[in-house]
Amino acid sequence: KAGVTQTPRYLIKTRGQQVTLSCSPISGHRSVSWYQQTPGQGLQFLFEYFSETQRNKGNFPGRFSGRQFSNSRSEMNVSTLELGDSALYLCASSLWGGQADTQYFGPGTRLTVL
Amino acid sequence: EDQVTQSPEALRLQEGESSSLNCSYTVSGLRGLFWYRQDPGKGPEFLFTLYSAGEEKEKERLKATLTKKESFLHITAPKPEDSATYLCAVTNYGGSQGNLIFGKGTKLSVKP
Repeated sequence: KAGVTQTPRYLIKTRGQQVTLSCSPISGHRSVSWYQQTPGQGLQFLFEYFSETQRNKGNFPGRFSGRQFSNSRSEMNVSTLELGDSALYLCASSLWGGQADTQYFGPGTRLTVL
Repeated sequence: EDQVTQSPEALRLQEGESSSLNCSYTVSGLRGLFWYRQDPGKGPEFLFTLYSAGEEKEKERLKATLTKKESFLHITAPKPEDSATYLCAVTNYGGSQGNLIFGKGTKLSVKP
């Protein structure tokens, strides 16, 4: 079974621009979660989607948004980029997104904001 | 507030020198505890899920155990390829779906 895939793997943007990251979950998984990983804060939850609906959102500003398509693929968007948005963005998929479900992570997208 | 603390932050071992990594948690009703391994520049790789105190799981040189307050990841006779950052995460009953609460990780280095 193919794992979680993320594109692109690397991105370099400048402040004020916007960016869209893509995530394809494991086949059959309907829940997709997004995380931001930085050296100082570790992994922090951004939001989770299930059946094209955002069910939960972490403590991030409204510049961070996402969506999920009918095939469970998901995208996240960051508008008006700031230097502090430089991070590894990870998506993870699970069957249902329940608290007992195991999440499987993709390789991540490394975003650098200059 | 739900919290996960991992110790030590970094651990250097000689090849073959067994040790344990600790993950202590404070959550309002543990639902699951997850161990991941992360290599530099890559996404976390799933290792184990534990659901109840007393549960143990093993995979090759790794063994994870769970008590009511903490989990241990025991590494027996480690090899250089075990070098990575090991992450612990929890979910709790009533917590938001799809939200893993992570610790900061333990960076393990195994020297030949």
